[in-house]
Amino acid sequence: AQKITQTQPGMFVQEKEAVTLDCTYDTSDPSYGLFWYKQPSSGEMIFLIYQGSYDQQNATEGRYSLNFQKARKSANLVISASQLGDSAMYFCAMREGGILTGGGNKLTFGTGTQLKVEL
Amino acid sequence: ETGVTQTPRHLVMGMTNKKSLKCEQHLGHNAMYWYKQSAKKPLELMFVYNFKEQTENNSVPSRFSPECPNSSHLFLHLHTLQPEDSALYLCASSQDSSVSGRNTEAFFGQGTRLTVV
Repeated sequence: AQKITQTQPGMFVQEKEAVTLDCTYDTSDPSYGLFWYKQPSSGEMIFLIYQGSYDQQNATEGRYSLNFQKARKSANLVISASQLGDSAMYFCAMREGGILTGGGNKLTFGTGTQLKVEL
Repeated sequence: ETGVTQTPRHLVMGMTNKKSLKCEQHLGHNAMYWYKQSAKKPLELMFVYNFKEQTENNSVPSRFSPECPNSSHLFLHLHTLQPEDSALYLCASSQDSSVSGRNTEAFFGQGTRLTVV
């Protein structure tokens, strides 16, 4: 079974509108972290936002917010007031395990969503 | 200087060549990673190094050989590759959270676009 599922291969949004990118995950580990990355055409993966499994509140970073629904195992990214520069691939990723597991921040990625922001 | 630097940015090599990819991080992190990104597929974790020790080898073929001489540098040595190895190879680093208890994000380089002919 896929650990990270992103069901939207491509999305369009008009400039200044909000958009939600879907992500569902699968893990039996009670301690995990969820990440969203942006990958422009240049190739670099840019960290956007992080949500820990024990965090009580949804994470927010500027125009990015994470709609974390633990019971449904979903971690959707919401981008408000879209800008042309937001056009890129967006990846949801998960780290399983927390303290004492060691092994670094091994991430499992989804297949990504290509977002295009239009005028 | 950017946090994680990869060289070269582009590489074309024949199946009999030997080449190396280089990654350098200036963030003081203690963990480094190699990921492979093929078209239409999720990023695949290849190798993990923690404090210069390899802690993960994700069933990667032996034609890929990593080297981590210190916590700031990571290499991926390539030899006798196949055309299906053509991909974007991304290096990343992070501060291992197992000590601090905090999860910290991985910082990525811009990748090396590898084409095997």
